[in-house]
Amino acid sequence: AQSVTQLGSHVSVSEGALVLLRCNYSSSVPPYLFWYVQYPNQGLQLLLKYTTGATLVKGINGFEAEFKKSETSFHLTKPSAHMSDAAEYFCAVSPQNSGGSNYKLTFGKGTLLTVNP
Amino acid sequence: DAGVTQSPTHLIKTRGQQVTLRCSPKSGHDTVSWYQQALGQGPQFIFQYYEEEERQRGNFPDRFSGHQFPNYSSELNVNALLLGDSALYLCASSLYDTQYFGPGTRLTVL
Repeated sequence: AQSVTQLGSHVSVSEGALVLLRCNYSSSVPPYLFWYVQYPNQGLQLLLKYTTGATLVKGINGFEAEFKKSETSFHLTKPSAHMSDAAEYFCAVSPQNSGGSNYKLTFGKGTLLTVNP
Repeated sequence: DAGVTQSPTHLIKTRGQQVTLRCSPKSGHDTVSWYQQALGQGPQFIFQYYEEEERQRGNFPDRFSGHQFPNYSSELNVNALLLGDSALYLCASSLYDTQYFGPGTRLTVL
């Protein structure tokens, strides 16, 4: 079974500071990896994903994440935080499937990011 | 291009009642997944529909059932509601490896 651990349920940064949200996964084979963002009272928005290829992936709003197989990690970063980045962030994994269909997402418990002026 | 839509936005029910939630996928998407997100938690997978059949199911009781229609839209039904069923119910649609989420339906059980 796959599982996701997000270290730190709450991260607080100053505006302009580096954002680092941690995600580690457990899986018998490297899974597909995703970061989603959720603003209050809204659904989930895809930030970025890793399936195959380059291990450093860039997403929307200046976020990026690096897949490190040896560390089973997929940490999310942004060089300079903006007030509008305040939200809850979820890391998720799904199994790879050679047939192109896709299965369930397994989510971490989320990290609430607050940005201080 | 319309994204994933869900209805209703909010719903209040009492214990023991039954509820139906609806989801329309993004244009061109053939797979619909449903998730339950309790307050302060990550979403939990309920089940996934593809070609009008349940393809995979999470650890939810049989009170939770679903359906997918020929136009790929989907319904989630919950019978004999419990207080613990209060949550945000999220629908996601996909074609290949990425799921796109709707805004969710907030269900409150009193």
